[in-house]
Amino acid sequence: QVHLRESGPGLVKPSETLSLTCTVSGGSIISYYWGWIRQSAGKGLEWVGHVYSSGKTSYNPSLKSRVTMSVDTSKNQLSLNLTSVTAADTAVYYCARILYTFGPAAFDVWGQGAQVTVSS
Amino acid sequence: EVVLTQSPGTLSLFPGERATLSCRASQTISYSYLAWYQQKPGQAPRLLIYATSSKASGIPDRFSGSGSGTDFTLTISTLEPEDFAVYYCLQSGSSPWTFGQGTKVEIK
Repeated sequence: QVHLRESGPGLVKPSETLSLTCTVSGGSIISYYWGWIRQSAGKGLEWVGHVYSSGKTSYNPSLKSRVTMSVDTSKNQLSLNLTSVTAADTAVYYCARILYTFGPAAFDVWGQGAQVTVSS
Repeated sequence: EVVLTQSPGTLSLFPGERATLSCRASQTISYSYLAWYQQKPGQAPRLLIYATSSKASGIPDRFSGSGSGTDFTLTISTLEPEDFAVYYCLQSGSSPWTFGQGTKVEIK
């Protein structure tokens, strides 16, 4: 059974970079798409973007200038970097595996989420 | 951007009743790219339905999805106590992927 766990700092200062890692256990990250989703009280659930195991990415246009996603197949991990953060980036960040049907279709396995607060 | 509007915002029902949740899209969505999630407090969302009507692994038969074009529905045939939660729809047919704002199903 695949299990995902997010890790990283819970507190980030404004203008700095938010960095999170998602460790996948119980299965390989190879040949799957993996996504990041965030949830805040003000904006609900928001797709941040996704990355294929080859490194191919797709980002939310509203975040594209600030976000980078990557995979490390040797460690079975994916990572998220979000630069120049503000209070609006405060949220619970989830990583999730993506179910593929005729294309990347839905998030089928989720991590437990990591609360990230942006504050000085 | 495809905007998903869920209704009602809150649904107050008794256990045993039928729940019908709506998700309306601002543009036509391929049936392959509409999913439904259940979320309970302090937990990650859980996939219930993908491709409009296909049940995810382990999901009870009382959950079903239907719809096409811009109108999609999640039906819970007989509410069990564990079904009281918030439900979200997701479209993944065009970028950016977007979620609805959620429908809360609460105990009456």
